[in-house]
Amino acid sequence: QVHLVESGGGVVQPGRSLRLSCAASGFNFSNHGIHWVRRSPGKGLEWVAVIFHDGSKNFYADSVKGRFTISRDNSKNTLYLQMNSLKVADTAMYYCARDAGDCVGGQCYSWFDPWGQGTQVTVSS
Amino acid sequence: SYELTQPPSVSVSPGQTARITCSGYALPKQYAYWYQQKPGQAPVLIIYKDSVRPSGIPERFSGSSSGTIVTLTISGVQAEDEADYYCQSTDITISHPWIFGGGTKLTVL
Repeated sequence: QVHLVESGGGVVQPGRSLRLSCAASGFNFSNHGIHWVRRSPGKGLEWVAVIFHDGSKNFYADSVKGRFTISRDNSKNTLYLQMNSLKVADTAMYYCARDAGDCVGGQCYSWFDPWGQGTQVTVSS
Repeated sequence: SYELTQPPSVSVSPGQTARITCSGYALPKQYAYWYQQKPGQAPVLIIYKDSVRPSGIPERFSGSSSGTIVTLTISGVQAEDEADYYCQSTDITISHPWIFGGGTKLTVL
């Protein structure tokens, strides 16, 4: 069974750092891109970052670019999110999600399935 | 910037049909995907590529597309369907292609 488990969340002061982890099992981890998505209190889902299956490319939302770094260790089936210079606005539940997309006729499609249960990050003084 | 627009809330009585729309200029060229999120739980994929239902998702959930609007339809709504629903799509022409709609809170009266 495909499973994603996040860890590393907690309470941190503004300006500090935190590293999240996402442990994957039940599928060939090195074959899939993996995303981070967050949901802030009272708000909707916000895509944060993605890393390609082999780690060759990554993309970030403008709101975290330059502060967050996504990485992966395929030998450990684990995804990471290094979060630096944290802001109060980064307070959210952070989810990792497998990219379940495919490519057909030269065009590629991307969606999220499954998702982990999430890890809570609270940035507060 | 690219946006997907959903109504903030939809309310229906049990057994009725709920329709949740999502609009975006790129939807005629890109598929839409739908997720259900119940309080305290992770989002779950319920529709992909506009209208395909993953295994394990009840048949009462269906998706359709027409131009710049995609619609999630829940036929014979049950109390357990009360949740937040999000559409998602991509626009490869922008710097961060993965976009979510603002979400719709479905209330079962």
